[in-house]
Amino acid sequence: GENVEQHPSTLSVQEGDSAVIKCTYSDSASNYFPWYKQELGKRPQLIIDIRSNVGEKKDQRIAVTLNKTAKHFSLHITETQPEDSAVYFCAASPSGSARQLTFGSGTQLTVLP
Amino acid sequence: EAQVTQNPRYLITVTGKKLTVTCSQNMNHEYMSWYRQDPGLGLRQIYYSMNVEVTDKGDVPEGYKVSRKEKRNFPLILESPSPNQTSLYFCASSSLYDFEKLFFGSGTQLSVL
Repeated sequence: GENVEQHPSTLSVQEGDSAVIKCTYSDSASNYFPWYKQELGKRPQLIIDIRSNVGEKKDQRIAVTLNKTAKHFSLHITETQPEDSAVYFCAASPSGSARQLTFGSGTQLTVLP
Repeated sequence: EAQVTQNPRYLITVTGKKLTVTCSQNMNHEYMSWYRQDPGLGLRQIYYSMNVEVTDKGDVPEGYKVSRKEKRNFPLILESPSPNQTSLYFCASSSLYDFEKLFFGSGTQLSVL
């Protein structure tokens, strides 16, 4: 089955700096890669996703890049704000959808004021 | 309001005492799934269901049962809970026609003593 590794497990940045979280996956059949944000005590929520036919996707301060050859994808957050503090999960799926997602172990991002 | 409702929110029980965690969605979603979240391990899929009477094992199904007799409900059953099933559980659903968006319930924190 799919295996998704996520790094780092914790990340602290100063407000206004950029944050990068990286994930690698093992199954070359995976074709859908979402990122979820989980605030303390809350449910995970989808923030951005990318498909295997696209190399990069942006949504305001958030971007995701995908390197299919190397089997890794990354989340980039620019101009970080305190409300970006949360646990971020990457995931991969061979179904092209949110079904059968395999999640990474999560990254606790702390944005220091 | 579109939502996935889990009950109970918190549950403390003892080893071997059967329990059920309920999950209900009001969005007429075909797909429903259960995850457990453990520190350092991310979210791991327990079981999923593509539609009524169709269920499949996820990555960690041992010790769990599910049923999908109605489209809106997808209960998680622990016939004989053990301490290693102490975890935070999330139910999630999505539509087969808007399959990128996975809606999570608010979670159930289970402690098995």
